Amino acid sequence: GENVEQHPSTLSVQEGDSAVIKCTYSDSASNYFPWYKQELGKGPQLIIDIRSNVGEKKDQRIAVTLNKTAKHFSLHITETQPEDSAVYFCAAGAGAGSYQLTFGKGTKLSVIP
Amino acid sequence: DAGITQSPRHKVTETGTPVTLRCHQTENHRYMYWYRQDPGHGLRLIHYSYGVKDTDKGEVSDGYSVSRSKTEDFLLTLESATSSQTSVYFCAIRGVQTVDEQYFGPGTRLTVT
Repeated sequence: GENVEQHPSTLSVQEGDSAVIKCTYSDSASNYFPWYKQELGKGPQLIIDIRSNVGEKKDQRIAVTLNKTAKHFSLHITETQPEDSAVYFCAAGAGAGSYQLTFGKGTKLSVIP
Repeated sequence: DAGITQSPRHKVTETGTPVTLRCHQTENHRYMYWYRQDPGHGLRLIHYSYGVKDTDKGEVSDGYSVSRSKTEDFLLTLESATSSQTSVYFCAIRGVQTVDEQYFGPGTRLTVT
């Protein structure tokens, strides 16, 4: 089955700096790659996703890049703010049939004011 | 808000007792999922449903059963709870905006003593 590795497990940045979280996946059939943000005591919230026919996608301060050849994708957050502090999860899915997602283990991002 | 509610939100139970968690959606989505979240493991799929009375196993299904008698409700049952099933349980639905996006409920924190 699919295996998703996520790094780093914790990340601290100064407010205003950029943060990058990286994930690798194993199944070449995967073609859907969402990112979730989870705040304490809440459910994961979908913040951005990318599909295999696209190399990069941007939404304001958040961007995701995908390298299908190398089987890795990354989340980039620019101009970080304290409210960006949360746990971020990447996931990979085959985008067909049951549309199961396999998640990475998460990155705890702390933005220091 | 994807219209997902989970009940109860918190539960403490004793080893060996049966427990049922409920996921309710208001949007008539076909696919529903149950995940568990544990420190160091991220989110892992327990079971999913692709329609009324249609369910299948996920990665960590041992010790769990599910039922879906109505489109809007997906029940997760622990037949005989064990301490290893202490976890936070999340329900998700798929297909709110696009066919592959999954949206999560607020979670149920279950403690088995």
